[in-house]
Amino acid sequence: QKEVEQNSGPLSVPEGAIASLNCTYSDRGSQSFFWYRQYSGKSPELIMSIYSNGDKEDGRFTAQLNKASQYVSLLIRDSQPSDSATYLCAGSGGYNKLIFGAGTRLAVHP
Amino acid sequence: EPEVTQTPSHQVTQMGQEVILRCVPISNHLYFYWYRQILGQKVEFLVSFYNNEISEKSEIFDDQFSVERPDGSNFTLKIRSTKLEDSAMYFCASSVLDRAQYFGPGTRLTVT
Repeated sequence: QKEVEQNSGPLSVPEGAIASLNCTYSDRGSQSFFWYRQYSGKSPELIMSIYSNGDKEDGRFTAQLNKASQYVSLLIRDSQPSDSATYLCAGSGGYNKLIFGAGTRLAVHP
Repeated sequence: EPEVTQTPSHQVTQMGQEVILRCVPISNHLYFYWYRQILGQKVEFLVSFYNNEISEKSEIFDDQFSVERPDGSNFTLKIRSTKLEDSAMYFCASSVLDRAQYFGPGTRLTVT
Protein backbone atom coordinates (compact mmCIF):
# COMPACT_ATOMS: atom_id res chain seq x y z
CA GLN A 1 0.00 0.00 0.00
CA LYS A 2 1.53 3.28 -1.11
CA GLU A 3 1.28 5.88 1.64
CA VAL A 4 2.07 9.51 2.18
CA GLU A 5 2.30 10.53 5.82
CA GLN A 6 1.98 14.00 7.31
CA ASN A 7 1.69 15.34 10.82
CA SER A 8 -1.91 16.52 11.09
CA GLY A 9 -1.03 19.49 13.27
CA PRO A 10 -2.22 22.06 13.92
CA LEU A 11 1.09 23.81 13.42
CA SER A 12 0.84 27.25 14.95
CA VAL A 13 3.38 29.94 14.04
CA PRO A 14 3.47 33.69 14.63
CA GLU A 15 3.15 36.07 11.70
CA GLY A 16 6.51 36.62 10.03
CA ALA A 17 7.99 33.32 11.19
CA ILE A 18 9.06 30.32 9.10
CA ALA A 19 6.59 27.46 8.92
CA SER A 20 8.09 24.02 8.29
CA LEU A 21 5.88 21.25 6.97
CA ASN A 22 7.07 17.68 6.53
CA CYS A 23 5.99 14.60 4.64
CA THR A 24 7.28 11.05 4.23
CA TYR A 25 6.32 8.55 1.58
CA SER A 26 6.54 4.78 1.30
CA ASP A 27 6.85 4.23 -2.47
CA ARG A 28 10.46 4.45 -3.63
CA GLY A 29 9.17 4.49 -7.19
CA SER A 30 7.52 7.89 -6.73
CA GLN A 31 9.30 10.45 -8.90
CA SER A 32 7.24 13.61 -8.52
CA PHE A 33 6.01 15.42 -5.45
CA PHE A 34 3.62 18.28 -4.98
CA TRP A 35 2.44 20.59 -2.26
CA TYR A 36 -1.13 21.80 -2.39
CA ARG A 37 -2.88 24.32 -0.17
CA GLN A 38 -6.49 23.68 0.72
CA TYR A 39 -8.70 26.22 2.42
CA SER A 40 -11.71 24.87 4.26
CA GLY A 41 -14.43 23.82 1.82
CA LYS A 42 -12.27 24.58 -1.22
CA SER A 43 -10.29 22.54 -3.70
CA PRO A 44 -6.53 21.81 -3.55
CA GLU A 45 -4.46 24.62 -5.01
CA LEU A 46 -1.01 23.78 -6.35
CA ILE A 47 1.82 25.62 -4.60
CA MET A 48 4.98 23.74 -5.52
CA SER A 49 6.15 20.78 -7.53
CA ILE A 50 9.52 19.09 -7.10
CA TYR A 51 10.98 16.30 -9.18
CA SER A 52 14.64 15.96 -8.20
CA ASN A 53 16.66 15.85 -4.99
CA GLY A 54 17.49 19.18 -3.40
CA ASP A 55 15.74 22.47 -2.91
CA LYS A 56 13.39 24.40 -5.13
CA GLU A 57 12.43 27.96 -4.28
CA ASP A 58 9.46 29.99 -5.46
CA GLY A 59 8.89 33.28 -3.72
CA ARG A 60 8.28 32.65 -0.02
CA PHE A 61 8.06 28.88 -0.54
CA THR A 62 10.91 26.35 -0.62
CA ALA A 63 10.32 22.68 -1.28
CA GLN A 64 12.96 20.11 -0.37
CA LEU A 65 13.17 16.53 -1.59
CA ASN A 66 15.38 13.75 -0.27
CA LYS A 67 14.64 10.55 -2.17
CA ALA A 68 17.10 8.45 -0.15
CA SER A 69 15.22 9.32 3.04
CA GLN A 70 11.84 9.38 1.26
CA TYR A 71 11.20 12.80 2.71
CA VAL A 72 9.65 15.97 1.34
CA SER A 73 9.30 19.28 3.11
CA LEU A 74 7.87 22.73 2.53
CA LEU A 75 9.17 25.89 4.15
CA ILE A 76 7.05 29.03 4.17
CA ARG A 77 9.05 32.16 4.98
CA ASP A 78 7.50 35.34 6.39
CA SER A 79 4.26 33.48 7.18
CA GLN A 80 1.08 35.53 6.84
CA PRO A 81 -2.38 34.96 8.36
CA SER A 82 -3.60 34.29 4.81
CA ASP A 83 -1.29 31.23 4.76
CA SER A 84 -3.52 29.59 7.37
CA ALA A 85 -4.85 26.51 5.60
CA THR A 86 -4.32 22.77 5.33
CA TYR A 87 -1.23 21.82 3.33
CA LEU A 88 -1.42 18.59 1.39
CA CYS A 89 1.63 16.64 0.32
CA ALA A 90 1.13 14.40 -2.72
CA GLY A 91 3.37 11.96 -4.52
CA SER A 92 3.01 10.34 -7.90
CA GLY A 93 1.66 6.86 -7.29
CA GLY A 94 1.59 5.29 -10.70
CA TYR A 95 0.32 6.29 -14.09
CA ASN A 96 -0.10 9.95 -13.21
CA LYS A 97 -2.26 9.39 -10.16
CA LEU A 98 -1.49 11.32 -7.03
CA ILE A 99 -1.44 9.84 -3.56
CA PHE A 100 -2.25 12.45 -0.95
CA GLY A 101 -1.35 12.71 2.67
CA ALA A 102 -4.00 13.66 5.20
CA GLY A 103 -2.66 17.22 5.34
CA THR A 104 -1.13 19.47 7.98
CA ARG A 105 -3.25 22.29 9.32
CA LEU A 106 -1.25 25.52 9.59
CA ALA A 107 -2.41 28.42 11.73
CA VAL A 108 -0.54 31.73 11.46
CA HIS A 109 -1.46 34.08 14.26
CA PRO A 110 -0.91 37.86 14.21
CA GLU B 1 -5.26 32.27 -16.29
CA PRO B 2 -6.81 29.02 -17.55
CA GLU B 3 -8.60 26.95 -14.95
CA VAL B 4 -10.58 23.77 -14.56
CA THR B 5 -14.32 24.35 -14.17
CA GLN B 6 -16.92 21.99 -12.70
CA THR B 7 -20.70 21.91 -12.63
CA PRO B 8 -22.82 21.77 -10.63
CA SER B 9 -21.21 23.14 -7.49
CA HIS B 10 -23.67 21.18 -5.34
CA GLN B 11 -25.80 18.20 -6.29
CA VAL B 12 -28.38 16.62 -4.01
CA THR B 13 -29.76 13.26 -5.07
CA GLN B 14 -31.68 10.36 -3.61
CA MET B 15 -30.08 7.00 -3.00
CA GLY B 16 -30.27 4.81 -6.11
CA GLN B 17 -30.43 7.72 -8.54
CA GLU B 18 -27.92 8.36 -11.29
CA VAL B 19 -25.81 11.50 -11.24
CA ILE B 20 -23.47 13.03 -13.80
CA LEU B 21 -20.77 15.43 -12.68
CA ARG B 22 -19.28 17.65 -15.34
CA CYS B 23 -15.85 19.14 -15.81
CA VAL B 24 -14.12 21.29 -18.40
CA PRO B 25 -10.36 20.68 -18.13
CA ILE B 26 -7.74 23.25 -19.10
CA SER B 27 -7.76 23.36 -22.89
CA ASN B 28 -4.23 22.22 -23.74
CA HIS B 29 -4.09 19.49 -21.09
CA LEU B 30 -4.05 15.87 -22.13
CA TYR B 31 -4.61 13.96 -18.89
CA PHE B 32 -7.82 14.14 -16.89
CA TYR B 33 -8.64 12.85 -13.44
CA TRP B 34 -11.36 12.49 -10.87
CA TYR B 35 -10.68 12.51 -7.14
CA ARG B 36 -13.02 12.56 -4.19
CA GLN B 37 -12.76 13.80 -0.63
CA ILE B 38 -15.13 12.60 2.04
CA LEU B 39 -15.59 15.24 4.72
CA GLY B 40 -12.60 15.28 7.05
CA GLN B 41 -10.68 12.66 5.07
CA LYS B 42 -7.88 12.48 2.52
CA VAL B 43 -8.22 13.34 -1.14
CA GLU B 44 -8.57 9.96 -2.88
CA PHE B 45 -7.78 9.10 -6.49
CA LEU B 46 -10.64 7.62 -8.50
CA VAL B 47 -9.58 7.46 -12.15
CA SER B 48 -7.22 8.88 -14.75
CA PHE B 49 -8.08 9.28 -18.43
CA TYR B 50 -5.82 9.78 -21.44
CA ASN B 51 -6.29 9.49 -25.16
CA ASN B 52 -9.98 8.67 -24.74
CA GLU B 53 -9.50 5.75 -22.42
CA ILE B 54 -9.04 5.01 -18.74
CA SER B 55 -5.33 4.75 -17.91
CA GLU B 56 -5.71 3.84 -14.25
CA LYS B 57 -8.50 3.42 -11.73
CA SER B 58 -8.70 2.80 -8.01
CA GLU B 59 -10.61 0.15 -6.09
CA ILE B 60 -13.25 2.78 -5.36
CA PHE B 61 -13.99 3.13 -9.07
CA ASP B 62 -16.22 0.07 -9.42
CA ASP B 63 -18.88 -0.78 -12.00
CA GLN B 64 -21.15 1.95 -10.65
CA PHE B 65 -18.74 4.59 -11.92
CA SER B 66 -17.93 5.57 -15.48
CA VAL B 67 -16.14 8.43 -17.21
CA GLU B 68 -16.56 9.92 -20.63
CA ARG B 69 -15.21 12.70 -22.78
CA PRO B 70 -18.30 13.28 -24.92
CA ASP B 71 -16.79 16.14 -26.92
CA GLY B 72 -13.56 18.11 -27.19
CA SER B 73 -14.02 20.02 -23.96
CA ASN B 74 -16.15 18.18 -21.40
CA PHE B 75 -15.13 15.33 -19.10
CA THR B 76 -17.84 13.63 -17.08
CA LEU B 77 -18.13 11.27 -14.13
CA LYS B 78 -21.29 9.20 -13.90
CA ILE B 79 -22.44 7.32 -10.83
CA ARG B 80 -25.19 4.93 -11.89
CA SER B 81 -26.89 4.13 -8.60
CA THR B 82 -25.78 6.40 -5.81
CA LYS B 83 -25.23 5.19 -2.26
CA LEU B 84 -25.14 7.18 0.97
CA GLU B 85 -21.38 6.60 1.14
CA ASP B 86 -20.90 8.34 -2.22
CA SER B 87 -21.55 11.66 -0.46
CA ALA B 88 -18.31 13.63 -0.86
CA MET B 89 -16.61 16.44 -2.71
CA TYR B 90 -15.66 15.34 -6.20
CA PHE B 91 -12.74 17.10 -7.82
CA CYS B 92 -11.79 17.04 -11.45
CA ALA B 93 -8.15 17.72 -12.33
CA SER B 94 -6.10 17.97 -15.49
CA SER B 95 -2.43 18.00 -16.41
CA VAL B 96 -0.02 18.31 -19.29
CA LEU B 97 1.68 14.94 -19.65
CA ASP B 98 2.95 13.67 -16.30
CA ARG B 99 3.34 16.99 -14.58
CA ALA B 100 1.43 18.94 -12.00
CA GLN B 101 -2.30 18.44 -11.76
CA TYR B 102 -4.63 21.42 -11.51
CA PHE B 103 -7.87 20.96 -9.64
CA GLY B 104 -11.31 22.37 -10.31
CA PRO B 105 -13.46 23.90 -7.56
CA GLY B 106 -15.30 20.64 -6.93
CA THR B 107 -18.86 19.36 -6.84
CA ARG B 108 -20.36 18.62 -3.46
CA LEU B 109 -22.50 15.50 -3.84
CA THR B 110 -25.06 14.83 -1.14
CA VAL B 111 -26.92 11.52 -1.28
CA THR B 112 -30.03 11.31 0.90
